[in-house]
Amino acid sequence: SAVISQKPSRDICQRGTSLTIQCQVDSQVTMMFWYRQQPGQSLTLIATANQGSEATYESGFVIDKFPISRPNLTFSTLTVSNMSPEDSSIYLCSVPHRAFLSGEQFFGPGTRLTVL
Amino acid sequence: SQQGEEDPQALSIQEGENATMNCSYKTSINNLQWYRQNSGRGLVHLILIRSNEREKHSGRLRVTLDTSKKSSSLLITASRAADTASYFCATAGVPADKLIFGTGTRLQVFP
Repeated sequence: SAVISQKPSRDICQRGTSLTIQCQVDSQVTMMFWYRQQPGQSLTLIATANQGSEATYESGFVIDKFPISRPNLTFSTLTVSNMSPEDSSIYLCSVPHRAFLSGEQFFGPGTRLTVL
Repeated sequence: SQQGEEDPQALSIQEGENATMNCSYKTSINNLQWYRQNSGRGLVHLILIRSNEREKHSGRLRVTLDTSKKSSSLLITASRAADTASYFCATAGVPADKLIFGTGTRLQVFP
């Protein structure tokens, strides 16, 4: 299994500001995923981050709002830009199991964001 | 939205009882997975069932899959207070490159 850490674990931010969330994996992985979980809701995939290429965003999510970096095979960042209270959510990164054809994923502990 | 539906949304039972959660989905799948989340923290993978499988067991967990009805169920037998968590189904499509999560079931097990 992969060990995944996220920073920060939680933050309280003012509207209009931006927050960058870091995701660190203890092994090299080609793909990393970023999810959003709004209060009391399920997980929604924001984007897939591949090393060496632009992230692929899901419908409803755009790069200007959620820019993603993937500088190497163990690290990625997600920035939540120009935040509003509607961005208050838990943001989680995940990586696929090494036997990726299974589709199983390992998740980080999440970053709980509150926007005032 | 392609998100799957789960029912019930919430379930409260006593320790020792069985808990059953159901999941329905909309598209063809490669496999279906169940995850557990404690108090808004990271998700833990519980079990995976492939589209050509009908039933799978892992410890106190039993998962069934009916691809003709596009539905799955998760049974937790002899529940414990420590099983209190939210449970999500997630489908992996073809190719299995991303997961689509269901709406989740909040399980409360009382000692």
